[in-house]
Amino acid sequence: EVQLVESGGGLVKPGGSLRLSCSTSGLTLSNYNMNWIRQAPGKGLEWVSTISSSSSYMYYADSVKGRFTISRDNAKKSLYLQMNSLRVEDTAVYYCTTTRPGLGDYLHWGQGTLATVSS
Amino acid sequence: QSVLTQPPSVSAAPGQRVTISCSGSRSNIGGNSVSWYQQLPRTAPKLLIYDNDDRPSGIPDRFSGSKSGTSATLVITGLQTGDEADYYCATWDSSLDGGVFGGGTKLTVL
Repeated sequence: EVQLVESGGGLVKPGGSLRLSCSTSGLTLSNYNMNWIRQAPGKGLEWVSTISSSSSYMYYADSVKGRFTISRDNAKKSLYLQMNSLRVEDTAVYYCTTTRPGLGDYLHWGQGTLATVSS
Repeated sequence: QSVLTQPPSVSAAPGQRVTISCSGSRSNIGGNSVSWYQQLPRTAPKLLIYDNDDRPSGIPDRFSGSKSGTSATLVITGLQTGDEADYYCATWDSSLDGGVFGGGTKLTVL
């Protein structure tokens, strides 16, 4: 059974930093591109970032470009999101997802971790 | 304002059929595969349809998808009360170089 488990969320002040982690099991991580997708309270889904299977390519939403950094460690079966210069509008549940190359779908989802940015 | 446009809400009676539209442009739906997601209350989204019209294993054939030009459609037949959820379309946008979602459609089964 495939499992994705996010961690690292919490309460942080504006301008602060958080590092999210996603630990995976039941799949060969190097077969997938990986993504972070977020959902603000009561709002819809928003794509945040994608990293290719071998970390050759990273993509970011304009809203986080220059502040967030996506990375992965296939040997540790993990995905990360370093979030710096956090803003109130970054408050959301952050989901870790897999994507099959060439299909663009978000196949597997974690349960999400809540990051709250508030003074 | 989402890049992909969905109706905010749809409703229908149990056993009926409902369609949810997703409108985009040449840089997103027009040139890339569309996927659909179901989000039940207080749960993570789940993949319903990928590559425009394919279903992952375990998804009943009551759910179907299609794409034409710069629009996509999700059809749910034989509605059940358990289908009450938010539904999202998604694709890649080649101009933005990023993923895009619709704003979501809340399905109410009356």
